[in-house]
Amino acid sequence: NAGVTQTPKFQVLKTGQSMTLQCAQDMNHNSMYWYRQDPGMGLRLIYYSASEGTTDKGEVPNGYNVSRLNKREFSLRLESAAPSQTSVYFCASSGLAGYTQYFGPGTRLTVL
Amino acid sequence: DAKTTQPTSMDCAEGRAANLPCNHSTISGNEYVYWYRQIHSQGPQYIIHGLKNNETNEMASLIITEDRKSSTLILPHATLRDTAVYYCIVRALEGSNFGNEKLTFGTGTRLTIIP
Repeated sequence: NAGVTQTPKFQVLKTGQSMTLQCAQDMNHNSMYWYRQDPGMGLRLIYYSASEGTTDKGEVPNGYNVSRLNKREFSLRLESAAPSQTSVYFCASSGLAGYTQYFGPGTRLTVL
Repeated sequence: DAKTTQPTSMDCAEGRAANLPCNHSTISGNEYVYWYRQIHSQGPQYIIHGLKNNETNEMASLIITEDRKSSTLILPHATLRDTAVYYCIVRALEGSNFGNEKLTFGTGTRLTIIP
């Protein structure tokens, strides 16, 4: 099992550009999450999907959209990137909402 | 979720047991203690969790005091690969309520294993 995979690993954008971060899990988990981690800080929840077909906002959703494409895949989209969105983005999954979460390796995003 | 307090940093000699403390004096009866670690900006890695009994798995042991106001994560034979930031997180009973979706990561303890 690969666990949770994320693409790309690194990305540099210019202000105003858009992009989609991809996440997939092969653990047959129902719930998936997107976090961001700024330098020297803890992780903050952006959006989550408790089950296929549902998505909900976390604590820092502004400037992002998500799509739960199917049970395996959960994507995060930045429609118009801003320098404040420079961060490391982590995807996670869990069997059910509230259960132990397992994380991907992260995407390091820089917005110039 | 209850707030946790951890030392900012600790050192431990390679091969020795690393004991990482965590205070969670406001923990509620239905809250678990979780430990995660993050190695050099990789994704956080789940280590162990428990409610009130001591727990052990292949990675570590978790000792929770009888009053549940503090706990200690024990890495029995620390290796250089255990150098990481360790996070103690308190959260409600698994699956007990929708909305218990996020993990609240503080700043954790930066553990350095010394050769």
